[in-house]
Amino acid sequence: AQSVTQLDSQVPVFEEAPVELRCNYSSSVSVYLFWYVQYPNQGLQLLLKYLSGSTLVKSINGFEAEFNKSQTSFHLRKPSVHISDTAEYFCAVAGTASKLTFGTGTRLQVTL
Amino acid sequence: DVKVTQSSRYLVKRTGEKVFLECVQDMDHENMFWYRQDPGLGLRLIYFSYDVKMKEKGDIPEGYSVSREKKERFSLILESASTNQTSMYLCASIRAGSSYEQYFGPGTRLTVT
Repeated sequence: AQSVTQLDSQVPVFEEAPVELRCNYSSSVSVYLFWYVQYPNQGLQLLLKYLSGSTLVKSINGFEAEFNKSQTSFHLRKPSVHISDTAEYFCAVAGTASKLTFGTGTRLQVTL
Repeated sequence: DVKVTQSSRYLVKRTGEKVFLECVQDMDHENMFWYRQDPGLGLRLIYFSYDVKMKEKGDIPEGYSVSREKKERFSLILESASTNQTSMYLCASIRAGSSYEQYFGPGTRLTVT
């Protein structure tokens, strides 16, 4: 069985500050990990994913996440956030039959 | 671009009504999913389908049923809506055997009064 824990339900941060959103997982199958983002009043969009290879994966808008097998973590980081990054972020782990198990989400609130 | 559409963005229904939520995808994806999203609970899988007329229960199927008569369309049915089914409902699709990237619709916010 798969499970995902996102310890922080809300993360307030000032614009241009760094941010880390934490994600820990457990999985009984091969580990494929994802971060999805949900902007207000929209569906979810894939932000980045780890399937294999390099443990550091990056998105086109400056986010990155590192797969750490020993700590069973896949934390999301950005060195300098922008107001437009305000959204809810979901970590997910893949299971069988293309299914995903999602965490409870972290709401990132960026202010001036 | 993959497009997943849902029939309504907002829906208000009365307790006891039968409710249909429709989802359509235009990329010939085999697998389709219905989730509900609630604050503090994240996304929870209600049902999924990996082929026409095929369905499997997810984590919270009670009070719901689904229908998949055509490959592109996956319907979620609330047989007798209750207030505890007030939620955001999200549909997603994915090509079978692909790298697990699910494509989501914009969601339907259902209120049952």
